[in-house]
Amino acid sequence: NAGVMQNPRHLVRRRGQEARLRCSPMKGHSHVYWYRQLPEEGLKFMVYLQKENIIDESGMPKERFSAEFPKEGPSILRIQQVVRGDSAAYFCASSPRQLLNTEAFFGQGTRLTVV
Amino acid sequence: DQQVKQNSPSLSVQEGRISILNCDYTNSMFDYFLWYKKYPAEGPTFLISISSIKDKNEDGRFTVFLNKSAKHLSLHIVPSQPGDSAVYFCAASENTGTASKLTFGTGTRLQVTL
Repeated sequence: NAGVMQNPRHLVRRRGQEARLRCSPMKGHSHVYWYRQLPEEGLKFMVYLQKENIIDESGMPKERFSAEFPKEGPSILRIQQVVRGDSAAYFCASSPRQLLNTEAFFGQGTRLTVV
Repeated sequence: DQQVKQNSPSLSVQEGRISILNCDYTNSMFDYFLWYKKYPAEGPTFLISISSIKDKNEDGRFTVFLNKSAKHLSLHIVPSQPGDSAVYFCAASENTGTASKLTFGTGTRLQVTL
């Protein structure tokens, strides 16, 4: 799964600041999924994107969170006005087509700490 | 509402013995099940999967069993090796036709001792 690149690996933000998490999918993959893992919990689906389109954002909080996957460049998960409860590990996965199944590869995650 | 449950947060097994990790689900619309392995500070790595039309899938030392009537699946690792020590997540997928996303359990930490 080294092919999915996430950066930064660690991000520290003060309450009220903005956090930007980046995900470059594996070469040839056009589908990106973002997941969040809170401490002592499993991964929770947030959003599914294809190039320039949000397909499913049913797991994304309605406020402060947004995601994009532009035609050029990485997918970005943006969290505005961060709060302590946003502290978590954020994982990105990519696949070459819609069905996740065995073809989804996860990045190493970005660990966000809000102080 | 935890649709995928892993009720054992941890499991310790001796090297060479069988490790059995369990997972229960409540959503009857799930049609694909996966196991992921995760080391600290790394992303999950796909291990093995099973479709709802099967009851068993085997890959080397790893076998996944699915009991649809009981909404239960299990992962068997035999023989267990020290390198298998990790957190194992059960995940399920419901193909809605527009997107296929994974619902994860909370994980079981497996420790394989010498």
